[in-house]
Amino acid sequence: DSGVTQTPKHLITATGQRVTLRCSPRSGDLSVYWYQQSLDQGLQFLIQYYNGEERAKGNILERFSAQQFPDLHSELNLSSLELGDSALYFCASSVPHGQGYGYTFGSGTRLTVV
Amino acid sequence: ELKVEQNPLFLSMQEGKNYTIYCNYSTTSDRLYWYRQDPGKSLESLFVLLSNGAVKQEGRLMASLDTKARLSTLHITAAVHDLSATYFCAVGRGSTLGRLYFGRGTQLTVWP
Repeated sequence: DSGVTQTPKHLITATGQRVTLRCSPRSGDLSVYWYQQSLDQGLQFLIQYYNGEERAKGNILERFSAQQFPDLHSELNLSSLELGDSALYFCASSVPHGQGYGYTFGSGTRLTVV
Repeated sequence: ELKVEQNPLFLSMQEGKNYTIYCNYSTTSDRLYWYRQDPGKSLESLFVLLSNGAVKQEGRLMASLDTKARLSTLHITAAVHDLSATYFCAVGRGSTLGRLYFGRGTQLTVWP
């Protein structure tokens, strides 16, 4: 157990629907990062939050949104889902000034859109 | 945008053999990370390289960083089946950890 908790582990939903993925970072970590992993795109950075504030944004679609709450857990909301959104979604966390450690990844949420 | 290229993307090797995975990146950076991912699993941190010339070793794996050449290598010595996995390099930049830029990964298969 890495200490980063992601729920649910698996999600199957229909096109057009909306889902919420949840991430609890490791204790003491203030940064949360969301990545999407698919076979054709590899690991794509979506967004970073630091202590409740958005810090960096990657190739995140307008249909996707995220937030980090005061207790530091984060949620990634995916709406108007398309077949192409099927992927493994990872959350990672890091300590402040964590250059010497890198990320700690959660176990991921596998999203299947049918 | 920072580009990270790994090669090879697929590597099939026999147990006992040696091989090197290469990670090139496009913009100056002095921080490089290697991760391992088993099929359907999470990414596990292997090495953190923070300066030019850094070398880290763990078991049959050794990673090095040449910031001048913008190149990191992951050398596998006397491969064993348990090393079969996908290996990713990731590059950071700036004064904070922030976003990491990942390569496409090298899928390693070690066969008897």
